[in-house]
Amino acid sequence: EVQLVETGGGLVQPGRSLKLSCVASGFTFSSYWMYWIRQAPGKGLEWVSSINTDGGSTYYPDSVKGRFTISRDNAENTVYLQMNSLRSEDTATYYCAKGIAANWFAYWGQGTLVTVSS
Amino acid sequence: DTVLTQSPALAVSPGERVSISCRASEGVNSYMHWYQQKPGQQPKLLIYKASNLASGVPARFSGSGSGTDFTLTIDPVEADDTATYFCQQSWNDWTFGGGTKLELK
Repeated sequence: EVQLVETGGGLVQPGRSLKLSCVASGFTFSSYWMYWIRQAPGKGLEWVSSINTDGGSTYYPDSVKGRFTISRDNAENTVYLQMNSLRSEDTATYYCAKGIAANWFAYWGQGTLVTVSS
Repeated sequence: DTVLTQSPALAVSPGERVSISCRASEGVNSYMHWYQQKPGQQPKLLIYKASNLASGVPARFSGSGSGTDFTLTIDPVEADDTATYFCQQSWNDWTFGGGTKLELK
């Protein structure tokens, strides 16, 4: 059974940093692209970052480029999201997702809530 | 960015057929995918590459379209289908539609 468990969310002040983790199980982690997607309270979904199977290629939308960094540890079956210079508009539930190549998101974790507020 | 436009909400009666549309601001070939999100839950993949049913998804769900216009159809609708449905494209990075909230009468 595929499982994705996100941790690391919480309340953080604007301008500070936070690092999210997502531990995967139930599939061959190193064979899949991984993604972070967020959802602000009561809003829609926004893609945040992507990483290919060996971690050599990463992708970001302009809204987080230069502030967020995705990485992975295939030995630990874990994908990370380092978030720096956080803003109030980054407040959201952050989901990690198992991808099918550079395409769709086959399975999603339960999400972790990040609240950016003073 | 490729913008995906969905109608905000629909209301249908159980047993009816419903079509949820998604229009892309530019062509995405067949790289359109659909998700269902129930309140308080994570999204779940329903359809990939426009018309392929994801594993475990009931055959009441189907998808169609190519280029810029895509449709998710549920036939017949059941009470458990109350949810928000999102389209997502992967032809030009990854973007989502704003979601269509499906309510049952």
